[in-house]
Amino acid sequence: AQSVAQPEDQVNVAEGNPLTVKCTYSVSGNPYLFWYVQYPNRGLQFLLKYITGDNLVKGSYGFEAEFNKSQTSFHLKKPSALVSDSALYFCAVRDGSSASKIIFGSGTRLSIRP
Amino acid sequence: DGGITQSPKYLFRKEGQNVTLSCEQNLNHDAMYWYRQDPGQGLRLIYYSQIVNDFQKGDIAEGYSVSREKKESFPLTVTSAQKNPTAFYLCASNPLAGGATDTQYFGPGTRLTVL
Repeated sequence: AQSVAQPEDQVNVAEGNPLTVKCTYSVSGNPYLFWYVQYPNRGLQFLLKYITGDNLVKGSYGFEAEFNKSQTSFHLKKPSALVSDSALYFCAVRDGSSASKIIFGSGTRLSIRP
Repeated sequence: DGGITQSPKYLFRKEGQNVTLSCEQNLNHDAMYWYRQDPGQGLRLIYYSQIVNDFQKGDIAEGYSVSREKKESFPLTVTSAQKNPTAFYLCASNPLAGGATDTQYFGPGTRLTVL
């Protein structure tokens, strides 16, 4: 069965510092990995995804994520955090054998202090 | 929120009443989904549909029902059998049924509160 874990409920970072939001996954086949962001009382917005190819994926708002097959991780990163990055972030995974279902992590609340 | 609309934004229901949440998309997507979001639990799949007139139960379908009579519409009914319906409900869609690489697009959500 596929699963995804976000080990940190909350991440606190000072503005201007680099940020990392962690995600690990488990799938039986090839993983397809996604990051979404959610602002209060809003739907999820797509940030980026990994399908195949280059392990470093670049997405919206200056975010990027690194796929690491040996560590089964897909951590979200940004070199310099902004206060406006404060939101709830979800990692998600699909595998090719159950393409119609996507599994979401429990979410990580990112707080950027000025 | 990319062509998916959900209404109403806020909904209040008395215990014992059924209520229907609307989800409409103009993206010509084949697959549509309903999720429930509770604090600290992420998103849980209620129902999904890959084609008109067909839908599948997700992980927490008990107390919910859906229909897919039109490609662009996927309403969710929360019945009185749902024991704890207060939550934030999210509708989503993606372009190709069965496409693992497809991105899901989300509506703005409906917050349901049972009084």
